Amino acid sequence: QQQVKQSPQSLIVQKGGISIINCAYENTAFDYFPWYQQFPGKGPALLIAIRPDVSEKKEGRFTISFNKSAKQFSLHIMDSQPGDSATYFCAASRLYRDDKIIFGKGTRLHILP
Amino acid sequence: DAMVIQNPRYQVTQFGKPVTLSCSQTLNHNVMYWYQQKSSQAPKLLFHYYDKDFNNEADTPDNFQSRRPNTSFCFLDIRSPGLGDAAMYLCATSRDGAGGNEQFFGPGTRLTVL
Repeated sequence: QQQVKQSPQSLIVQKGGISIINCAYENTAFDYFPWYQQFPGKGPALLIAIRPDVSEKKEGRFTISFNKSAKQFSLHIMDSQPGDSATYFCAASRLYRDDKIIFGKGTRLHILP
Repeated sequence: DAMVIQNPRYQVTQFGKPVTLSCSQTLNHNVMYWYQQKSSQAPKLLFHYYDKDFNNEADTPDNFQSRRPNTSFCFLDIRSPGLGDAAMYLCATSRDGAGGNEQFFGPGTRLTVL
């Protein structure tokens, strides 16, 4: 019940295309859903996050779509660029003190130039 | 720039030889975390400190210990590294432990065990 399931494991997209990564969770107590981006040799960095009181959040080319009833959320990268090539982790947690983040297994994204 | 610094970036040790990894932060955050990340896997939380309070994950092997002598520094000690402990070790911080707070990660230390 603590798991966050992420798919696909790897993704190849042409430059300018839309990259879509999907995640699903079981624990309905989760109420914070961040996405972290990790470049090779670097630590993960927060990319964008959403709380379940909204169905969508957009920051530049990155959009999170959230479906509370289905317990699913996804990351859409519009106009994907080679610089977006990285590993993306979805995650979930609860908004109170001392609660850990549960990470998905990650999606390795490669944008073809 | 405020940041999370890890040293060394690469560490090679021999099977069974103790090793210490270090992390420092200039963010003045209350919480410091240690994660283990193996190739193509998600980061796995080993333990974290909320200020001086130590919180160990239930499945963290006893072989792993941690120290936080002050707000800025945190150490990961691996008492007797095995081949299975070869991984990237990530240090992270957050302002407080609330699940909604951003975690700031360091660049990691890649540990090789010979």
